[in-house]
Amino acid sequence: EPEVTQTPSHQVTQMGQEVILRCVPISNHLYFYWYRQILGQKVEFLVSFYNNEISEKSEIFDDQFSVERPDGSNFTLKIRSTKLEDSAMYFCATIRTSGIAGEQYFGPGTRLTVT
Amino acid sequence: AQTVTQSQPEMSVQEAETVTLSCTYDTSESDYYLFWYKQPPSRQMILVIRQEAYKQQNATENRFSVNFQKAAKSFSLKISDSQLGDAAMYFCAYGDNYGQNFVFGPGTRLSVLP
Repeated sequence: EPEVTQTPSHQVTQMGQEVILRCVPISNHLYFYWYRQILGQKVEFLVSFYNNEISEKSEIFDDQFSVERPDGSNFTLKIRSTKLEDSAMYFCATIRTSGIAGEQYFGPGTRLTVT
Repeated sequence: AQTVTQSQPEMSVQEAETVTLSCTYDTSESDYYLFWYKQPPSRQMILVIRQEAYKQQNATENRFSVNFQKAAKSFSLKISDSQLGDAAMYFCAYGDNYGQNFVFGPGTRLSVLP
């Protein structure tokens, strides 16, 4: 069964450093998402991406965050200058198309630890 | 804006017994999707079951079934014949008519007692 993959599984970085989290969507999926889950809290929507541009973003997704699909396969989330509060699990999710397809496929997540 | 509420932070069930996890949501839309996701200690998000709001019939998936009450905006998950592997966080989620714009509830931690 096709699946969404994410790398790395765990990233440790120092405060102020830039990190790039990578996601490889399922090949025929067109919509991509990033979510964040701070330890012990609920999953929060960050951003959605379609047709090479952001379609929606939350208040969390400020100027420190950016997304792109640099090579037509990887979907990346960049945090320019990490803060302690960015420590969380980051999930990529993809969906084939809008409408009755209905469900998002989640990757296994990247655990980001900012020290 | 849509909201999802799970009023039970923690639940426990005896192995082989049945447990029901509650979820309520708020939306002004008439067409939407509802989901239950399972998050085991590995923290991967696994889809358990989904319900299209336009369908009156409750979704079932093996030992998992839902009680969807559209007028009451309630979407509970029933797990029958609970197994040790069912122990996890369970998140209720709302998605719009395009299956996007997900909103997650705060989660219910389910323990299964041997």
